[in-house]
Amino acid sequence: AQKVTQAQTEISVVEKEDVTLDCVYETRDTTYYLFWYKQPPSGELVFLIRRNSFDEQNEISGRYSWNFQKSTSSFNFTITASQVVDSAVYFCALSEADSGNTGKLIFGQGTTLQVKP
Amino acid sequence: EAQVTQNPRYLITVTGKKLTVTCSQNMNHEYMSWYRQDPGLGLRQIYYSMNVEVTDKGDVPEGYKVSRKEKRNFPLILESPSPNQTSLYFCASSLYRGLSEAFFGQGTRLTVV
Repeated sequence: AQKVTQAQTEISVVEKEDVTLDCVYETRDTTYYLFWYKQPPSGELVFLIRRNSFDEQNEISGRYSWNFQKSTSSFNFTITASQVVDSAVYFCALSEADSGNTGKLIFGQGTTLQVKP
Repeated sequence: EAQVTQNPRYLITVTGKKLTVTCSQNMNHEYMSWYRQDPGLGLRQIYYSMNVEVTDKGDVPEGYKVSRKEKRNFPLILESPSPNQTSLYFCASSLYRGLSEAFFGQGTRLTVV
């Protein structure tokens, strides 16, 4: 059965620390997509990244980086030199693309990141 | 500007009083869906639509209805709201179902008393 687990419910760091948000997924599909979304205190959902199951290259975008490892079914997100504006709830999500694809995003429970000044 | 617009943003209602949350997108997306967000559960899909007049149940459809008469609009209807439907609701649209970035509305915080 498909599932996304974000075991860290809350993380608190001090500004400029690096922080990694963990995401572990389960799927039987060979073709699937993984996403990260950010939900700042204002409540909207902001798309951060999409990765397909055939692309295991790590991605870096400014202070953000993502480590996709199929061998451990993980898609972890690292923020380098965290800032107060990074404080938000972060969601990892999975979408399966094989037969029966309904387009559903399967979300993890979310990790609340608090960055203190 | 590409966007998904939901209304209202906040709503307090009483048990049993029918309500509709509207959702509109301006990106000509075929795929639209509704999610509810609850603490500790993340977001769960309520209903989805692959195109006009094509809708189907997601994981938590009980107590909800939807319609897709036009490509841009996908309203969520609660015919007889109950307190367990108190939640944060999001409408989303995407170009390719599940394969591309989903654009989310601003969210509707619903309280049923």
